[in-house]
Amino acid sequence: EPEVTQTPSHQVTQMGQEVILRCVPISNHLYFYWYRQILGQKVEFLVSFYNNEISEKSEIFDDQFSVERPDGSNFTLKIRSTKLEDSAMYFCASFEAEQPSSYEQYFGPGTRLTVT
Amino acid sequence: AQTVTQSQPEMSVQEAETVTLSCTYDTSESDYYLFWYKQPPSRQMILVIRQEAYKQQNATENRFSVNFQKAAKSFSLKISDSQLGDAAMYFCAYSFMYSGGGADGLTFGKGTHLIIQP
Repeated sequence: EPEVTQTPSHQVTQMGQEVILRCVPISNHLYFYWYRQILGQKVEFLVSFYNNEISEKSEIFDDQFSVERPDGSNFTLKIRSTKLEDSAMYFCASFEAEQPSSYEQYFGPGTRLTVT
Repeated sequence: AQTVTQSQPEMSVQEAETVTLSCTYDTSESDYYLFWYKQPPSRQMILVIRQEAYKQQNATENRFSVNFQKAAKSFSLKISDSQLGDAAMYFCAYSFMYSGGGADGLTFGKGTHLIIQP
């Protein structure tokens, strides 16, 4: 069964450093999403991406964040200057759209980001 | 803005018994989807069940069923014959679907921690 993959599974970085989290969505999906979950808290929507541009973003997704689809398979989330409060699990998800067979966003396993 | 509320931070049930997790939401839209996701300690997000708002019939997936009350904006999850493997965080989520395809990002509740007593 197709699945969303994410790398790395765990990233440790120092405050102020830039990080790039990578995701490979399911191949025929057209909508891509990033979510964040701070430990012990709920999952929060960050951004959605469609047709090579941001479709929607939350108030969390400020100027330090950016997303990109650099090639036909990867979808990345960049955090320019990490802060301690960016420590969280980051989930990528993809959605088929356009006559979807399943109204479901498929989640990757997540990348645990630790900022020290 | 849409909101999702889960008022039960934690629930406990005996193995083989039935438990109901509550969820309410707020939206001005008429066409949307509701979901229950399970998050075990691995933190993987696993879809349990989904409900289309335009469908009056409550969704069912094996031991999992929902009670969808659109007018009351209520969407509870019932787990029958609880098993040890059901122990996890359960998140209720809402999404608006675009008429031409595509969907908003999911809005999640704070979650309910389900404990299964052997």
